[in-house]
Amino acid sequence: SQKIEQNSEALNIQEGKTATLTCNYTNYSPAYLQWYRQDPGRGPVFLLLIRENEKEKRKERLKVTFDTTLKQSLFHITASQPADSATYLCALDARGGGNKLTFGTGTQLKVEL
Amino acid sequence: DAGITQSPRHKVTETGTPVTLRCHQTENHRYMYWYRQDPGHGLRLIHYSYGVKDTDKGEVSDGYSVSRSKTEDFLLTLESATSSQTSVYFCAATSGGRTDTQYFGPGTRLTVL
Repeated sequence: SQKIEQNSEALNIQEGKTATLTCNYTNYSPAYLQWYRQDPGRGPVFLLLIRENEKEKRKERLKVTFDTTLKQSLFHITASQPADSATYLCALDARGGGNKLTFGTGTQLKVEL
Repeated sequence: DAGITQSPRHKVTETGTPVTLRCHQTENHRYMYWYRQDPGHGLRLIHYSYGVKDTDKGEVSDGYSVSRSKTEDFLLTLESATSSQTSVYFCAATSGGRTDTQYFGPGTRLTVL
C-alpha cells in the first residue's frame, strides 16, 4: 500500500533562514503531490501542487521540488518568519478514483526570533 | 475555510451512544470527504462521496456510516461510539478534476468517554 513519510520531529529554525521539509513515499508513483499548511485547531489549507512531470514549483517564498526517481518531495520556505510556524502536510493522489488524497503525518515547523 | 462548515465543533459523548457529525458546503463541490486526525497517524480517510447518494469507504471505515442526500450536506454517523473513535474529524470537499485541491472545514473534536 502507499506509504508517505514526513519527519515526525519538529523543525526549529531561526527567522530569516530557509526551512526545508521532506516528504518521502513508497509503493506508488503519484501523478501529483500537494503540500498543505495546518495551524493548531484548524483544518489544513492548500499551498502548492506539483505534477510528476515538473521538477520544481514556486509561489512567493515557497518552493517545492519533486524527484520521482528518489520518490521524494522537498518543501522550502525562504526568509522564514515566525508566522510560518505551523504543521506542514504532504499529500499524494491515492489510487481508486474519487480524487482521494493520502496524507503524511506532517512536520511541525517553528520559526524563532 | 472555503465555505465549509462543520457542526458541532466540540462534542463529548458516552460509549455506546449514536453520534452524527454534519458537514455543509456552499461551493457546489462534487466530492466530499470525512477524515479523522490522530497523533502519529495524520489524516486518514473514513468515507467519501462522489455525488448525491454516491458514497464509498476509505481506509478506516469500520464503525462509521455516511449519507449525502443533498450536494451541500455530508453526514458522518457513529452508530455506537467507542473510546477509540475519540479524535478530531475533518470534512473536506473538492470539485473534481485530476489535480483539484481539497478544501477543509474547521474540524470537530469528539470525545467518547
